[in-house]
Amino acid sequence: KAGVTQTPRYLIKTRGQQVTLSCSPISGHRSVSWYQQTPGQGLQFLFEYFSETQRNKGNFPGRFSGRQFSNSRSEMNVSTLELGDSALYLCASSLYRAASSYNEQFFGPGTRLTVL
Amino acid sequence: DQQVKQNSPSLSVQEGRISILNCDYTNSMFDYFLWYKKYPAEGPTFLISISSIKDKNEDGRFTVFLNKSAKHLSLHIVPSQPGDSAVYFCAAITDNFNKFYFGSGTKLNVKP
Repeated sequence: KAGVTQTPRYLIKTRGQQVTLSCSPISGHRSVSWYQQTPGQGLQFLFEYFSETQRNKGNFPGRFSGRQFSNSRSEMNVSTLELGDSALYLCASSLYRAASSYNEQFFGPGTRLTVL
Repeated sequence: DQQVKQNSPSLSVQEGRISILNCDYTNSMFDYFLWYKKYPAEGPTFLISISSIKDKNEDGRFTVFLNKSAKHLSLHIVPSQPGDSAVYFCAAITDNFNKFYFGSGTKLNVKP
């Protein structure tokens, strides 16, 4: 079974631009979560999508948005990029089962975004 | 507001010895705790978990201990191997089971 894939792997943008990152979950997984990883801050939760609906949201400004398509693929968009947005953006998919205590998340390799 | 904290950014251990990675949390409502391991250029991979109703869970060389009164968990790796060198993240989940709170990570270096 193919793992979680993220494209592109590396991206360089300048301040003020916008960027769209893509995540393809493991086949059959309907939940996709996005995280921002920066040195010293660990992984910070951005949002989670399930069945095309945003179900959970972290504490990020409105410049960060996302969406999920009917095939469970998800995109994350950051508008008006700032230098502080430079980070590794990770997505994780899970096979959501309501009866489970928790649903293990499988991470993709991430997209390294550099804002100049 | 960092609800899960890993106060040691790095740890260096000799091969064969025990590695102890620590994690503290502030939210008493967390139901599950997990450890993830991350190699460079790869996403984190799940290592071991523990329910809040337990105080210990063991899987091979890896054991996680939970002290709810102290809001502290630790990961023990015995014996440590050079291939264990990676960044380790602890994570916690509340009853909203798809919202994970991660610590900032501890970089473990196991010296041969």
